[in-house]
Amino acid sequence: EIVLTQSPATLSLSPGERATLSCRASQTITRYLAWYQQKPGQAPRLLIYDASNRATGIPVRFSGSGSGTDFTLSISSLEPEDFAVYYCQQRSNWPLTFGGGTKVEIK
Amino acid sequence: QVRLVESGGGVVQPGRSLRLSCAASGFTFSSYGMHWVRQAPGKGLEWVAMVSYDGSEKYYADSVKGRFTTSRDNSKNTLYLQMNSLRPEDTAVYYCAKEVNWKSYHFDSWGQGILVTVSS
Repeated sequence: EIVLTQSPATLSLSPGERATLSCRASQTITRYLAWYQQKPGQAPRLLIYDASNRATGIPVRFSGSGSGTDFTLSISSLEPEDFAVYYCQQRSNWPLTFGGGTKVEIK
Repeated sequence: QVRLVESGGGVVQPGRSLRLSCAASGFTFSSYGMHWVRQAPGKGLEWVAMVSYDGSEKYYADSVKGRFTTSRDNSKNTLYLQMNSLRPEDTAVYYCAKEVNWKSYHFDSWGQGILVTVSS
């Protein structure tokens, strides 16, 4: 099973600041990684798929990069609605797996 | 627009069974693989199961293999999760999710989730 390790666990930032979230895979997953945002009481929302493709309707301030085992989700300038938990997910091997999540909180 | 609505959750005793349904609309259901993902209270996301667009391929997480079965009825635009021999650790919100495109195994649409509580 591929283990995805997200860091940091919590990121404390102010609106307008840049957020950089990391996801590291236990083995290479080429570019088969997605990022999701989840707010309390809501279902996850797809932000990025296959490492760098923005999903439909996702603002350009969200971007993804990386390949192999190291991936990054960047939010260029945090908006109030961006404070949430973010998960990465790999589709390279069965079983599909998620990272443990990074909470982006208001500083 | 895409809509996924889960039903069938509730409280069930350990060892008993429950069947979840996911009614789909707003897209050609028979063209997409579908998945179940769960989230225990206060915890992260866990992928549970997948069924291909035509029902010919199925995959399961080790934690549910042999106990859970997923299926679909394309004539009814409905996805199912049959859960047998339920354990307290199966307590979670269960989401159904649609793939982005054929065999993409990333999820661009999710249901609102349904709570399953396994407790005596």
